[in-house]
This record gives sequence, C-alpha cells and structure tokens, in this order.
Amino acid sequence: GESVGLHLPTLSVQEGDNSIINCAYSNSASDYFIWYKQESGKGPQFIIDIRSNMDKRQGQRVTVLLNKTVKHLSLQIAATQPGDSAVYFCAENPYGNNRLAFGKGNQVVVIP
Amino acid sequence: NAGVTQTPKFQVLKTGQSMTLQCAQDMNHNSMYWYRQDPGMGLRLIYYSASEGTTDKGEVPNGYNVSRLNKREFSLRLESAAPSQTSVYFCASSKTTGRNQPQHFGDGTRLSIL
Repeated sequence: GESVGLHLPTLSVQEGDNSIINCAYSNSASDYFIWYKQESGKGPQFIIDIRSNMDKRQGQRVTVLLNKTVKHLSLQIAATQPGDSAVYFCAENPYGNNRLAFGKGNQVVVIP
Repeated sequence: NAGVTQTPKFQVLKTGQSMTLQCAQDMNHNSMYWYRQDPGMGLRLIYYSASEGTTDKGEVPNGYNVSRLNKREFSLRLESAAPSQTSVYFCASSKTTGRNQPQHFGDGTRLSIL
C-alpha cells in the first residue's frame, strides 16, 4: 500500500474505547473546518464539518470540538471499531473562498 | 452513486513523457480541484476550477496544466514528466467555491516517474 501515513503521529486505541484526535490550525481568519478520514489506497472521505460560530457538533459516533481561543480542533470517535483505522486530516479555509488548507494527518490504529 | 471518478488508478512514466489524468464527477458540482499527496505531507492544491470555463493556480502549479472540459470533467496534464512529480493525485469537487462547503474526493491516481 502507499505510505500516506509515513512518519505521521500515531494513536493506538483499543477496540471499544473512545479516540480523540487533535489538530492545531494556523489562521485566525479561518471560519470553517472539516475532518476527513483516509483509508489505505483510498481518497479522503468527508466525516464532519463545523463553522466558527459553533464550538461543538455531533454526528454518528463522532464529535468535533472547536476552541478558537487556542486555535485547536479535535475529533472524538466513540466506541472505536477496527474500521476506524485510518489517517485522519483536519482542514481549514484560510483563503477567503472554498480553498482548503490541510493538516498532515494523524494515523489511528485500532487494536482488536 | 459514483461521486468522483479518476482514471487511471496507476501509471508509470519515463522522465519526459506526457500524460493526462482524467477526473469526472456526477454530483452536478460547479467547482473542481486537483491535489497531490506526498508521504507524510498534507494535500497540496495544484489547480482548481471555480466553474466551467475558469481555472486558477493553486499552491504547486508548476509543471502542470489543466482543462475544464465541461461541468463534469476536469483533467490534469503533465507535459514533460519529472521524477519530482511522482505522487498520488486526487481530484475533488464541491458545489461551488463559496465558503464553507466540503470537498468530495476521488480515490486517486498513483503516478510514478522513472
């Protein structure tokens, strides 16, 4: 498989536990943030997004938290499953349009 | 639904050869994007097209050209491939380039330049 995850921070999680993936973003002007999941050999898959007028948003088994004061974004995955093993990227929109800037990603490994 | 479809999935080229990577979306999206992804790095934007008939440079446009053939299709061309262009290339689309919209990605073209 391709080495997308080479040298990325890695989070190892026991199956059934909750996962927390963190992202520090760079631009105070960004007002929209997205989390993507990328499995080996696949393209990034949209998970959840959040606008800067919110500090929390929930989806199915996922929650995104936004702390604008410290420019920090986190993704919480409840009851982590083997299928959650992937690289997770955050993205922000610092350019004033829909161009996105992507983080380098975090590798999540779920231990059965 | 197919979403964003990229062809080919894999390609090996020799230095100096040319190649066109194809991308098509069936979501009636107006905006399309080409990215490259290198090991341990985030996605970097090569070119994008806000709407049919327009294209703009992204972060790393040198060595590439694009064509927005129609609303569905956006191709990326390497005129004279170089080893530094070995990468995984992703096409994405969004409803518009208006703010606050997710981009949806294809599964990539894995390109090796020898």
